[in-house]
Amino acid sequence: GDSVTQTEGPVTVSESESLIINCTYSATSIAYPNLFWYVRYPGEGLQLLLKVITAGQKGSSRGFEATYNKETTSFHLQKASVQESDSAVYYCALGDRGYGNEKITFGAGTKLTIKP
Amino acid sequence: EAAVTQSPRSKVAVTGGKVTLSCHQTNNHDYMYWYRQDTGHGLRLIHYSYVADSTEKGDIPDGYKASRPSQENFSLILELASLSQTAVYFCASSPQGRAETLYFGSGTRLTVL
Repeated sequence: GDSVTQTEGPVTVSESESLIINCTYSATSIAYPNLFWYVRYPGEGLQLLLKVITAGQKGSSRGFEATYNKETTSFHLQKASVQESDSAVYYCALGDRGYGNEKITFGAGTKLTIKP
Repeated sequence: EAAVTQSPRSKVAVTGGKVTLSCHQTNNHDYMYWYRQDTGHGLRLIHYSYVADSTEKGDIPDGYKASRPSQENFSLILELASLSQTAVYFCASSPQGRAETLYFGSGTRLTVL
């Protein structure tokens, strides 16, 4: 079946350090995958951080980047220099552009804490 | 202001009781969804709807009913709450479905005792 596996949290990084949260996926029943990173800040709902629908392309937002790699079935989230305001839970997700499939498969989430 | 509003924010229910979770959106979106999240697991789809007065089953519909009386409102109903339904529940809306961006509410933490 379809699945998403991401870095198990919690993860703690010092401010201004670099960050990578790994995400790999299995899309056995999905013909046209969409890949997402969502973020949930304390007390809020999930919100879209970035989205990529074409293999080989990179998405970026708020200093975060992720490249859709079809060969390695990965969509790792990276940031060169984190800030305290990046403390949140990050979710990798896989969707299907195919008609009639409303399922989006989420990873378990990675809780990130930035130390000042 | 929040475009997807869930109520209540948290609830404690007794086993066997009825629980209704409500969701209201002002995004003018056709698609609405209910997900649950358990500690250490990703969000799982319970029910969704793409038009008023119609609902569809997601991946884990057993023990849940859904109601979409209008485009703006989508409720999740637990007729006989059980301990295993303790979780955080998220409502979301989407303009076109089919793996488009989801817009989430802030969640309802449900504890069944």
